[in-house]
Amino acid sequence: AQSVSQHNHHVILSEAASLELGCNYSYGGTVNLFWYVQYPGQHLQLLLKYFSGDPLVKGIKGFEAEFIKSKFSFNLRKPSVQWSDTAEYFCAVNLATDSWGKLQFGAGTQVVVTP
Amino acid sequence: DTGVSQDPRHKITKRGQNVTFRCDPISEHNRLYWYRQTLGQGPEFLTYFQNEAQLEKSRLLSDRFSAERPKGSFSTLEIQRTEQGDSAMYLCASSLGAGELFFGEGSRLTVL
Repeated sequence: AQSVSQHNHHVILSEAASLELGCNYSYGGTVNLFWYVQYPGQHLQLLLKYFSGDPLVKGIKGFEAEFIKSKFSFNLRKPSVQWSDTAEYFCAVNLATDSWGKLQFGAGTQVVVTP
Repeated sequence: DTGVSQDPRHKITKRGQNVTFRCDPISEHNRLYWYRQTLGQGPEFLTYFQNEAQLEKSRLLSDRFSAERPKGSFSTLEIQRTEQGDSAMYLCASSLGAGELFFGEGSRLTVL
């Protein structure tokens, strides 16, 4: 079955540590890739997206992600996290053959940043 | 607040009852999407509208589910004869064409 896999369900790290969240997808065709974040008690927000071009994309709040086509991966990174980065992070894929806005989400990674 | 708003935020109902959720998208957005999110999972696509036309429905949307967007503005999602398996967060999102999706805070349904 086609799917989006996020490697870790929970990550706990200290402030100033580096963060990397893995995301792999199993679709063979052209895809649009997204990372969303959900802060406690808030709605899903777009962190960054990749459609084409430079495989290293930068998003809001110092986040970046790298698309590696050969590995079907789109990993999210941040060099130095802050307590305010505590949130749930979702990777999502939109197949180019699918309707815009029809996203396949991973199960999410809960990130807790301790002071 | 000019974001996507959903009502009610929480709904507790007994099995077999009907429930309706409302979504008010960002005013100029012509596309509206419904997703469902169960505990420990990411959101799953249910359906979407372009203006008032419902253009796609997921197979997850059984015949007990119906969504409408009568005037191309707000949308309703009705679940008839609720089952315990319907317990979930129902998310609405909107976009202007193929632009960024903006999500609401969701309507949480608990079926007893």
